[in-house]
Amino acid sequence: QVQLQESGPGLVKPSQTLSLTCTVSGDSISGGSYYWTWIRQPAGKGLQWIGRIYTSGRTSYNPSLRSRVTISVDTSKNQLSLKLSSVTAADTAVYYCAREIFSSGWYEGTDPWGQGTLVTVSS
Amino acid sequence: EIVLTQSPGTLPLSPGERATLSCRASQSVSSTYLAWYQQKPGQAPRLLIYGVSSRATGIPDRFSGSGSGTDFTLTISRLEPEDFAVYYCQQYGSSAWTFGQGTKVEIK
Repeated sequence: QVQLQESGPGLVKPSQTLSLTCTVSGDSISGGSYYWTWIRQPAGKGLQWIGRIYTSGRTSYNPSLRSRVTISVDTSKNQLSLKLSSVTAADTAVYYCAREIFSSGWYEGTDPWGQGTLVTVSS
Repeated sequence: EIVLTQSPGTLPLSPGERATLSCRASQSVSSTYLAWYQQKPGQAPRLLIYGVSSRATGIPDRFSGSGSGTDFTLTISRLEPEDFAVYYCQQYGSSAWTFGQGTKVEIK
């Protein structure tokens, strides 16, 4: 059973870089037809897609965040990482990592998701 | 960016009733990339439906999805106590995923 677990600082100062890691267990991050994706959710609000990375290393980002986001993978550690630079209070949210499933080229949903980690941007 | 608008924002219903949730897109959406998620307080979203109408593994058959083009619907045939939650639709288009703002199904 695939499980994802986010980790990283819960508090980040304004203008600094938010760095999170997602550890994948039960599957190889470099195997299969998967995208590994980051999504966030401000308290009491909806979901916002941040970006994704394919097993080949190809990335794509939300246009509204593209200039500040970097997503990468460390296959040796089976981890996914997120870096978001120049953060402000508006970046305060629960951050989720998740797996997008593709089978024979067909999207079969984003599943599973990590439990999420709250990041607060404050001085 | 394709905008998804969900309605209603809140849906007060009683257990046993039928729930019909709407998701309307600002432009035509590929059916391949239309999904629905359920989220309960303090939990991550859970995949219910992908490809408009395919149920994810372990999802009861009281959940069904339909629609095409710009109009999509999630139907819960008979609400169980555990179904009261927030539901989100999701689509991929123009190289980006977007989500609707959510519909909260609450106990009447």
